[in-house]
Amino acid sequence: GNSVTQMEGPVTLSEEAFLTINCTYTATGYPSLFWYVQYPGEGLQLLLKATKADDKGSNKGFEATYRKETTSFHLEKGSVQVSDSAVYFCALSEIGRGSTLGRLYFGRGTQLTVWP
Amino acid sequence: NAGVTQTPKFRVLKTGQSMTLLCAQDMNHEYMYWYRQDPGMGLRLIHYSVGEGTTAKGEVPDGYNVSRLKKQNFLLGLESAAPSQTSVYFCASSWASGNTIYFGEGSWLTVV
Repeated sequence: GNSVTQMEGPVTLSEEAFLTINCTYTATGYPSLFWYVQYPGEGLQLLLKATKADDKGSNKGFEATYRKETTSFHLEKGSVQVSDSAVYFCALSEIGRGSTLGRLYFGRGTQLTVWP
Repeated sequence: NAGVTQTPKFRVLKTGQSMTLLCAQDMNHEYMYWYRQDPGMGLRLIHYSVGEGTTAKGEVPDGYNVSRLKKQNFLLGLESAAPSQTSVYFCASSWASGNTIYFGEGSWLTVV
């Protein structure tokens, strides 16, 4: 079946530190991969996505590369800011044989706190 | 830009009471979803719809019902609320299978 595993939080960093949040997945078909971000008291927003192997998604200084050989989609940012404090969710959506829904399978989320 | 709008945003229910959460989207999306978010559990799919007049069960459908009478609206009902249904509920929508899914801002429900 489909599943997403992401690193446990919380992650606490100082401003300008390097961020990595690990995400690995299991899929039976050919998934698209996503990172969503949830700021306090808000819904989820799409941060970035990649739809095929070796694609790199990027947005707001965040990057993630779709690695089929390691079934990973790690989120990175070179220099975090206080405003990046949020919960980050890795997710996959499969389009493949028998799949007509495209539902998202989520990881459990990683809380990031950035201190000034 | 309205996007996906959920009402109400906050609600406190007594055990056994019923209520309906309303989700409305103005993007002409075919697919709509209801998720619940619980600490340490990520988001879990309750019910979904792939078009007007259609509904289907997700991962955790028990205790909930849904209806999609109009394309833009997706209603989530709790017929007899239980404390285990205390959660944050998110509605979402997308154009088609595999497309980006857009989320509402959430509805905080407490059942006492």
